[in-house]
Amino acid sequence: NAGVTQTPKFQVLKTGQSMTLQCAQDMNHEYMSWYRQDPGMGLRLIHYSVGAGITDQGEVPNGYNVSRSTTEDFPLRLLSAAPSQTSVYFCASSLTYPGNTIYFGEGSWLTVV
Amino acid sequence: RKEVEQDPGPFNVPEGATVAFNCTYSNSASQSFFWYRQDCRKEPKLLMSVYSSGNEDGRFTAQLNRASQYISLLIRDSKLSDSATYLCVVNQAGTALIFGKGTTLSVSS
Repeated sequence: NAGVTQTPKFQVLKTGQSMTLQCAQDMNHEYMSWYRQDPGMGLRLIHYSVGAGITDQGEVPNGYNVSRSTTEDFPLRLLSAAPSQTSVYFCASSLTYPGNTIYFGEGSWLTVV
Repeated sequence: RKEVEQDPGPFNVPEGATVAFNCTYSNSASQSFFWYRQDCRKEPKLLMSVYSSGNEDGRFTAQLNRASQYISLLIRDSKLSDSATYLCVVNQAGTALIFGKGTTLSVSS
C-alpha cells in the first residue's frame, strides 16, 4: 500500500536554485494539496488541486508553482529558492474535495542555504 | 484572530492520567471537525472525526460545542505511546482544511 509518496525526503538547496518536490498517490484521489510546516506556525496550505488540470492557491503560494496533469501526480516547484522556504513540506490527498480523511506523505525536509 | 486556536502545551502527564485538550475555531460556518495526531518528524494522521453528538473511540472521546465554537479531546488512562502532538482540524464548506498549531502531549512513566 503505497498511499502518498513524496520525494526527495531530504534536500539542501542554495539560494536561487530551483527544484521540484514530487508527489504521487495511488488511491485515485481527486483532491491533492501541498502544505508546509514551520515551528510555531502549524501546517499552512500552499496550493491545492481538485482534479486533473485544476489548481488553486492556498494561504502561502508565493514562490511556488504546481501543476496537475494526471490524477496521480502533483509536483511542487520552487522557482528560485530562498532561505524563508526552509521548511518541512507535506503532500496530501483525499478522495473528495474538501474531503474528510486526508492522507499525508511522509514529508520532505528542505533546507535553503 | 486565528481561525483555529489550540493551547500549545506541552502537557506533561504521568501514565494513567486523564488529559483534555481544547480547540476553538472562528468561523461559525465550519462544517466538519477532526483531531489528527502527529508524531515527532512524522506526517499527521487522522485520529478521529468529531461529531455534534460527541463520539468515543476506546480511550479517546471527542466533543463539539457549536454554540461556543470549541472542540475537545479527552484521553483517559494515558499511555507512553500517546506522546505526540494533537492537531485540531476544521473543514469549512468550499475551502481546504484549516489546521491548528497543535498541542504537545508528553506521557511519562
